[in-house]
Order: sequence, then structure tokens, then C-alpha cells
Amino acid sequence: NAGVTQTPKFQVLKTGQSMTLQCAQDMNHNSMYWYRQDPGMGLRLIYYSASEGTTDKGEVPNGYNVSRLNKREFSLRLESAAPSQTSVYFCASSHQTSANTEAFFGQGTRLTVV
Amino acid sequence: RKEVEQDPGPFNVPEGATVAFNCTYSNSASQSFFWYRQDCRKEPKLLMSVYSSGNEDGRFTAQLNRASQYISLLIRDSKLSDSATYLCVVNRNTGNQFYFGTGTSLTVIP
Repeated sequence: NAGVTQTPKFQVLKTGQSMTLQCAQDMNHNSMYWYRQDPGMGLRLIYYSASEGTTDKGEVPNGYNVSRLNKREFSLRLESAAPSQTSVYFCASSHQTSANTEAFFGQGTRLTVV
Repeated sequence: RKEVEQDPGPFNVPEGATVAFNCTYSNSASQSFFWYRQDCRKEPKLLMSVYSSGNEDGRFTAQLNRASQYISLLIRDSKLSDSATYLCVVNRNTGNQFYFGTGTSLTVIP
């Protein structure tokens, strides 16, 4: 099973460029998430979507936009990339209808902004 | 105050040792608790959920103390393959958000 698939796996951007990170899950999960992970900071939530058609800000939303295109897909867009957005980005999904429902992660996107 | 706090380590232990990781969470409304494992440059993966009565999975034992808002993970008979970063995770269920600790680094030495 594919689980959570993210593309691309690696990307280098110049300051000011834009790009969209794609995420899709095939587990029929209602909730999807975008995190960034930086050394010493752990995983920080950028945006999440509790269900198709809804999105909410997380801890660090500035500089990002998201789209929950349908139940399967949740994309993250950087409109004008900055060096501070150099990070590893993880997409995750979960069923979230009952307690002890885990989050499943994609393989990550390593983004460098120069 | 952070939602979830962990000792970052690193913990360097010999093969066969027993090692314990601790984690505290700040919000008493938290309802679901997990330990995830993350290998270098890989995605986090669920190691085990943590239940109120405590639970065991082979060499791994997880405990939850709701009164103290404290979670622990015990690894017995450490293997080289246990070397990784261990993430403590809590979820309030309402709000659909998972909160991650910064992780505890473990290296098991031959």
C-alpha cells in the first residue's frame, strides 16, 4: 500500500521563487497535516485539514498556503520562498474519529532555499 | 510552555542495557498518547500507542500517568537497531492536532 505519498523528495529554490508541495493519501483518512522539522525544534504544525473543504492554521503558518483539493490530496504552497523556509516538510494523515488513532507520514520533502 | 517536553539526550547505551525515556505534556485535555520512532533522514513511524493502564510490546513498555501528565517508554535488552530518535506525541482528539516533543536521541553501542 502506498499510504502517504509526497512529491518532490528534494527541491532547491531561489529566494522569491514559488512552489507547491504535493501530498496524497490512499487510506480514506479525513484529517491531513503539514509539518516542518528543523534541528532542535521538533515537528511543528504548519496547517491542517480536519476534513475535505476545511483548513486551519497551525503553529507556524506564515509564508504558506494550503489547499485540500479533495479527500485524498492536501497541497502546501510557498508563494515567495525565503531562506528561513529551508527545512524538511512532512505531510501526514489520520482517521481521527476515535481515540488512539495514529498519524501516518509521508517520506518528507527536503527543501533548501538559497 | 511547550505542549510536549522531552529530554533530548543523547542517550548512549551498550547493547543489552535497559533505557527509559520520559515525556511531560502540558494540556490536561490530551486524550491520546503515542511514541514514534524516527530514523535519520526518514519519516516518523508509530512505535506504540500508550494506554491508560500501560502496555507492552515485546521489549518496549509504555506507561501513562494522567495525574502527573507524564508518559514514559522503557526499552529492555537494547539492540543496535534501536538506535533512533524517539518522539513523544499527544493528541487532544478535539481540534485534530497532534503535538510532538522534540525527540530523544538513542544510540546503542556494540
